[in-house]
Amino acid sequence: DQQVKQNSPSLSVQEGRISILNCDYTNSMFDYFLWYKKYPAEGPTFLISISSIKDKNEDGRFTVFLNKSAKHLSLHIVPSQPGDSAVYFCAASRNYQLIWGAGTKLIIKP
Amino acid sequence: NAGVTQTPKFRVLKTGQSMTLLCAQDMNHEYMYWYRQDPGMGLRLIHYSVGEGTTAKGEVPDGYNVSRLKKQNFLLGLESAAPSQTSVYFCASSPGTGSFYSNQPQHFGDGTRLSIL
Repeated sequence: DQQVKQNSPSLSVQEGRISILNCDYTNSMFDYFLWYKKYPAEGPTFLISISSIKDKNEDGRFTVFLNKSAKHLSLHIVPSQPGDSAVYFCAASRNYQLIWGAGTKLIIKP
Repeated sequence: NAGVTQTPKFRVLKTGQSMTLLCAQDMNHEYMYWYRQDPGMGLRLIHYSVGEGTTAKGEVPDGYNVSRLKKQNFLLGLESAAPSQTSVYFCASSPGTGSFYSNQPQHFGDGTRLSIL
């Protein structure tokens, strides 16, 4: 039973445009949601997070939106750059543990 | 600026062999974690530790043991390796100060690719 789902295995976006990555969850007890970025042969690196009591958090080109009623969050990257090409993981925290989605591979086209 | 260091980076084992994966962090973090990542899946927590001398089970603990004898080290052991344990293993650490429910992102090592034949 996947509690955190990323339904798009991959996404291709033109450089300079907006990238939108989506994540759905089933457990309303999650208290924090985080996005991590992963390059091949490296560990994930933290990107941005949002508390369950907020609906938006922004950090430079990255914005995360949380819709609690729909149990949905999204990561917006504006503008998209070639270095953004990576796998993006959504994760949700509860009881000392992070529950991870399967990831979305973002490809930025020049 | 080592951060989280995992050794070895690659290893091939035969079924039934044992081995230990080592994770070391130099950030004085309280919490440490072991995950496995399989193709098409997210990371799954094997075991974690909230401080020196403590360990706890995660989502998929069967077939693994851990020890946290020193604050900076977290060891993951496979007593009798099975092909189902072929995976990429990631270690992570986080500060752990104050409430865990605050925003305390985990810092990851670069992984150990383990194949069990």
